Amino acid sequence: DAGVIQSPRHEVTEMGQEVTLRCKPISGHNSLFWYRQTMMRGLELLIYFNNNVPIDDSGMPEDRFSAKMPNASFSTLKIQPSEPRDSAVYFCASSLKLAGDYEQYFGPGTRLTVT
Amino acid sequence: DQQVKQNSPSLSVQEGRISILNCDYTNSMFDYFLWYKKYPAEGPTFLISISSIKDKNEDGRFTVFLNKSAKHLSLHIVPSQPGDSAVYFCAASWGGATNKLIFGTGTLLAVQP
Repeated sequence: DAGVIQSPRHEVTEMGQEVTLRCKPISGHNSLFWYRQTMMRGLELLIYFNNNVPIDDSGMPEDRFSAKMPNASFSTLKIQPSEPRDSAVYFCASSLKLAGDYEQYFGPGTRLTVT
Repeated sequence: DQQVKQNSPSLSVQEGRISILNCDYTNSMFDYFLWYKKYPAEGPTFLISISSIKDKNEDGRFTVFLNKSAKHLSLHIVPSQPGDSAVYFCAASWGGATNKLIFGTGTLLAVQP
């Protein structure tokens, strides 16, 4: 299996522009998670989906952030408009939700820089 | 408010010695704990886990200890190797209907040859 795939790996954009991050989870996994990594807060959960349905978006920082999962093999995280404080590494992770199994598999991340 | 805390941002250890990484949590409802390892420019990878019904879990050179009364867990690496140099994240979950994980801020381990 190719693992979790994220694109782009690096994104540099100007303040005010729209940014879209993409994720393809591991085939057969039914949970998908979006995280943001910063020095101050570590790995911060933004939103997660079970069976393509958003379950908990309490970590989404502002209305500028939105996420979708139109099908089991694709998800997007959009920031509109972007701001310099959004600069971070964004990770997507997937897992197979089973009782007693909490392991999540992470993608390589997207490093976002907003100037 | 940080429910999972790793108070040491960094740790330096000599090759062959023991590395001890610590993690504290505040939510007594957590019942499953995991450690992840992260190399630069890569995503975190699962290392080892422990259920709240146990106080120790061992996998090769890696052992995780859980002290529920102190709400504290630790990861021991013996012997430490230069390839263990990475950021280590502690994570916790409530179990039940959610498979959501709460991560700490990470500890950067440097193993000196």
